[in-house]
Amino acid sequence: GDQVKQSPSALSLQEGTNSALRCNFSIATTTVQWFLQNPRGSLMNLFYLVPGTKENGRLKSTFNSKESYSTLHIRDAQLEDSGTYFCAAVRVNTGNYKYVFGAGTRLKVIA
Amino acid sequence: EAAVTQSPRNKVAVTGGKVTLSCNQTNNHNNMYWYRQDTGHGLRLIHYSYGAGSTEKGDIPDGYKASRPSQENFSLILELATPSQTSVYFCASGDLQNYAEQFFGPGTRLTVL
Repeated sequence: GDQVKQSPSALSLQEGTNSALRCNFSIATTTVQWFLQNPRGSLMNLFYLVPGTKENGRLKSTFNSKESYSTLHIRDAQLEDSGTYFCAAVRVNTGNYKYVFGAGTRLKVIA
Repeated sequence: EAAVTQSPRNKVAVTGGKVTLSCNQTNNHNNMYWYRQDTGHGLRLIHYSYGAGSTEKGDIPDGYKASRPSQENFSLILELATPSQTSVYFCASGDLQNYAEQFFGPGTRLTVL
């Protein structure tokens, strides 16, 4: 089954509204990364998280290791937020840091 | 300047041919990774490396080899390319001492005809 499951798989948001994306993990993990893949295909780092919360401008992310999930909140969505959001969890395995990626959430922000 | 670069950015190959994808990083990171991205699968790990001279199998290594001749360079080699290897390939680097955050290159689009 999916070790990292993202929801929703796709989302359409009106400009100026808020939303939350979610990742659920079925693997033991200590750290999570969130990325935005823009329409040209480049992967941009958004957050790197140990358990806790980080905020950057209109984005905020939380990683709850006890309940095995992470969320990415988008406030006041803008057109440039459109793209595919990926979360990745470090699979805890002795001596190395291997990431497992979710399948992504495709976000479209509309005017 | 981009810290992780990949070449070529686009490649068309023929079935049975040999393909080498190159990655260079200036982050001075110990770890480097090769992933492929296919629709509906996110990114999947092919090979990774802990440092010069080391290569390790990831989750989907079949049909691929890797080479890490130096700290900066990590190559992915398809000895006998097949159409199923048509994909977008991403290289990344990461540093164990920086909690393993990964930084990605721009990707290489490979088409095997």
